[in-house]
Amino acid sequence: QVHLVQSGAAVKKPGASVKVSCKASGYIFTNYEMYWMRQAPGQRLECMGWINGGNGNTKYSHKFQDRVTFTRDTSATTSYMELSSLRSDDTALYYCARGRSEFGAVIADFWGPGTLVTVSS
Amino acid sequence: DIVMTQSPDSLAVSLGERATINCKSSQSVLYRSNNKNYLSWYQQKPGQPPKLLIYWASTRESGVPDRFSGSGSATDFTLTISSLQAEDVAVYYCQQYYSTPQTFGQGTKVEIK
Repeated sequence: QVHLVQSGAAVKKPGASVKVSCKASGYIFTNYEMYWMRQAPGQRLECMGWINGGNGNTKYSHKFQDRVTFTRDTSATTSYMELSSLRSDDTALYYCARGRSEFGAVIADFWGPGTLVTVSS
Repeated sequence: DIVMTQSPDSLAVSLGERATINCKSSQSVLYRSNNKNYLSWYQQKPGQPPKLLIYWASTRESGVPDRFSGSGSATDFTLTISSLQAEDVAVYYCQQYYSTPQTFGQGTKVEIK
């Protein structure tokens, strides 16, 4: 079955960067996209974008495109999300989610457990 | 960005009764060339990640009980739980994937009355 394992919680200082990993198993990694989403306390879910597991093409939401980088390692079936210039309002639970492509859209059909990133001085 | 607005913010329903959640998008998410509504519904239980229930506005994801159903088109959508079970206590979110960034509603909390 589909399994997504994310890296552990991180505490970072303002201005630093964080890199979150998402190890996938139970499906053909290169046949799907990997979404990155986040959920800040008291805020609604936000989509940061996704990366194609096969060709590595990325799609970033405009809010994050200057600060976020998605990469993947197909041999390790692992996706990565790096967010730079961290601010206190980046404190959130960060999720990876498998994305399946249908009719030109990408549907997030299975989510990882989330990685808590806390930004604090 | 497309703004998704859900109503109500919370509701309490008796076991076995119907629960109805509404979702309104600030612009149409109906793609006319294929007549598909680019809208999904997720369920999130405490301490868990969201779980996909419905996509294309009305298609149930594999394994989702048939008491969950989705309806609507263009800008107005509904998630219905036909007979509420104790395990359905959760927050429910609608999401549009018509345009980037994909955006979510604020969530509706469903509780047992």
